[in-house]
Amino acid sequence: GAVVSQHPSRVICKSGTSVKIECRSLDFQATTMFWYRQFPKKSLMLMATSNEGSKATYEQGVEKDKFLINHASLTLSTLTVTSAHPEDSSFYICSARDVRVGEKLFFGSGTQLSVL
Amino acid sequence: EDQVTQSPEALRLQEGESSSLNCSYTVSGLRGLFWYRQDPGKGPEFLFTLYSAGEEKEKERLKATLTKKESFLHITAPKPEDSATYLCAVQAGPSGTYKYIFGTGTRLKVLA
Repeated sequence: GAVVSQHPSRVICKSGTSVKIECRSLDFQATTMFWYRQFPKKSLMLMATSNEGSKATYEQGVEKDKFLINHASLTLSTLTVTSAHPEDSSFYICSARDVRVGEKLFFGSGTQLSVL
Repeated sequence: EDQVTQSPEALRLQEGESSSLNCSYTVSGLRGLFWYRQDPGKGPEFLFTLYSAGEEKEKERLKATLTKKESFLHITAPKPEDSATYLCAVQAGPSGTYKYIFGTGTRLKVLA
C-alpha cells in the first residue's frame, strides 16, 4: 500500500522555539494532506487540510499563525509549530489520500512533541 | 451535526474469546466508513473501507460489516497481537470534500 513518511518521530524542545514536522508521500502524489493532533487515549482531531500549491484550510479553533502549514510539492507537506509552549505538547499525525486506491487515508507514524 | 461514536471505550478479552466493536454514526451523505488499527505511539494502519449498507470485508481474524446507522468490527478468536486501539472514521459531505470524522476508538487488550 501507499507509504507516508513522517519525521521526526519524537522531538523535545524548549518553550518559545519553533519545531518543523515533515510529511512525505513516498510512492504517490498527494494533492491533499491532513494534519491531526491526538491527546493520550483520545481520538484524532483534524487541525488542517493541506492543499498543494495553495493555502491550508484550518479547522475552527486552530490558530493559523501558531501552526504554519506549507505544501510546496505533491509529495511534501510541513507543519511548523511556532513559539511552542507546553500546552502544544501532543502527538501530531499527518495523512494523505492516494487517489489511485479510492478514498482511504494513509497515515504517517506520528510525531511526539514535548515542549519543556 | 456529524458524529461518530465507538463502543465500548475499552475491552479486555481472553485469547480465543470472540467479540464485536461498534461504530455508530450520524452523518449527512456518507461516502465511506473506514476502520483503522493504531498501536501506541504509531500512526493508524488501514484495515477496511465500507461504502454501502450490507457490505462486508474480511481480513484474517477481523470482519467488518456496515448498516445504515452503524458498523461492527468482529474479532474471531483474537490473539494477544490483536491488542491495539481500533478507530472508526467516516467520510461525509458533498463530492469533492474530503473531511474524515474519527470516533474516539476502542482500546482492545487480548490476554494470553
